[in-house]
Amino acid sequence: DAEITQSPRHKITETGRQVTLACHQTWNHNNMFWYRQDLGHGLRLIHYSYGVQDTNKGEVSDGYSVSRSNTEDLPLTLESAASSQTSVYFCASTLDRGDTEAFFGQGTRLTVV
Amino acid sequence: AQSVTQLGSHVSVSEGALVLLRCNYSSSVPPYLFWYVQYPNQGLQLLLKYTSAATLVKGINGFEAEFKKSETSFHLTKPSAHMSDAAEYFCAVSDKSDKIIFGKGTRLHILP
Repeated sequence: DAEITQSPRHKITETGRQVTLACHQTWNHNNMFWYRQDLGHGLRLIHYSYGVQDTNKGEVSDGYSVSRSNTEDLPLTLESAASSQTSVYFCASTLDRGDTEAFFGQGTRLTVV
Repeated sequence: AQSVTQLGSHVSVSEGALVLLRCNYSSSVPPYLFWYVQYPNQGLQLLLKYTSAATLVKGINGFEAEFKKSETSFHLTKPSAHMSDAAEYFCAVSDKSDKIIFGKGTRLHILP
């Protein structure tokens, strides 16, 4: 079965370190998204990609970067981790834009100490 | 720019009672609207979606939602709550060329 997987599921890192969260989907979807989920804020869009070599900033992109070198993967990098980036991160993918369902990974809980 | 507002971050209903979760949207073009559910320690999964085919949309687990353009609303309902419905529910909006924007979520509590 096709799926979308995130790794690691849990991570603790220190302030200032670079961290990369992996997202891999086998749906062959064009579009991939990274969200962070925080109490009181719901899901906020960090970055997204509509295809290989395409990346776009979302509403909370500062301090994060992504790259899309193939269809399956969209890794999220925190350049220099900050305590404000402690959150649960979700990756999602859709086949097309607009009315298609988004499929979500299980999430990565990141703690920055 | 599109946005959604979910009224009430927490809603409590008794088992067997009506569930009503409110969502209002803002969009400059005809929107696509979604409800997603998140169970503890899991990702989100689609409950139902509106894509202009019918204003009353039926989803999984007995949920349905009605699109009301005049009220810019897409409220989620279920006639009779079950303990297994306890979860967080997210309303979301998109259009033909844009990403999906989520509301802040409503946590549904079911009282025995």
